[in-house]
Amino acid sequence: DAGVIQSPRHEVTEMGQEVTLRCKPISGHNSLFWYRQTMMRGLELLIYFNNNVPIDDSGMPEDRFSAKMPNASFSTLKIQPSEPRDSAVYFCASSLSLGTRGTAYEQYFGPGTRLTVT
Amino acid sequence: KQEVTQIPAALSVPEGENLVLNCSFTDSAIYNLQWFRQDPGKGLTSLLLIQSSQREQTSGRLNASLDKSSGRSTLYIAASQPGDSATYLCAVESRTGFQKLVFGTGTRLLVSP
Repeated sequence: DAGVIQSPRHEVTEMGQEVTLRCKPISGHNSLFWYRQTMMRGLELLIYFNNNVPIDDSGMPEDRFSAKMPNASFSTLKIQPSEPRDSAVYFCASSLSLGTRGTAYEQYFGPGTRLTVT
Repeated sequence: KQEVTQIPAALSVPEGENLVLNCSFTDSAIYNLQWFRQDPGKGLTSLLLIQSSQREQTSGRLNASLDKSSGRSTLYIAASQPGDSATYLCAVESRTGFQKLVFGTGTRLLVSP
């Protein structure tokens, strides 16, 4: 398997522009997670989906951020309009969840997208 | 709110040494704890996963222990090698947040030849 695929790997944009990050989870996985990593705040969960349905978006910083998962093999994270404080590395991860609480499901991470907003 | 702390923030050791990385969490009501490795410019790789009912897990030269009551976990690396140089992160899945991992800030490890 190719693992979790993210694109682009690097994105440089100007403040106010729309940014779209893309993720292809591992085939067969039914849970998908978007994380953001910064020096100041570390690694934070933004939103996660289960069976293409958003389950928890409490980590999404504000309305400028939105995420979609139109099918089991594709998800996007969009920032509109972007701001310099959005500069970070954005990771996508996927796992196979059988929905049983108390059973651990290993999350597999993609290589990340490094976003710089100037 | 679950908080995860890792000590030390950075560690430098000569090759061959055994070492211990520490992770502490404030809410002991967890489903599991995971240790990850992150290489510069790369994503995270899962190393070990300990379920709440377990006390430890081993994989090769790595051994992770979990003391849920005291809110602590350790990652023991035996006979360290330069290839072990990376940032190590622990993450917990709390019972108040199914599938939501809360990460520590990591320990940056450098193993010198």
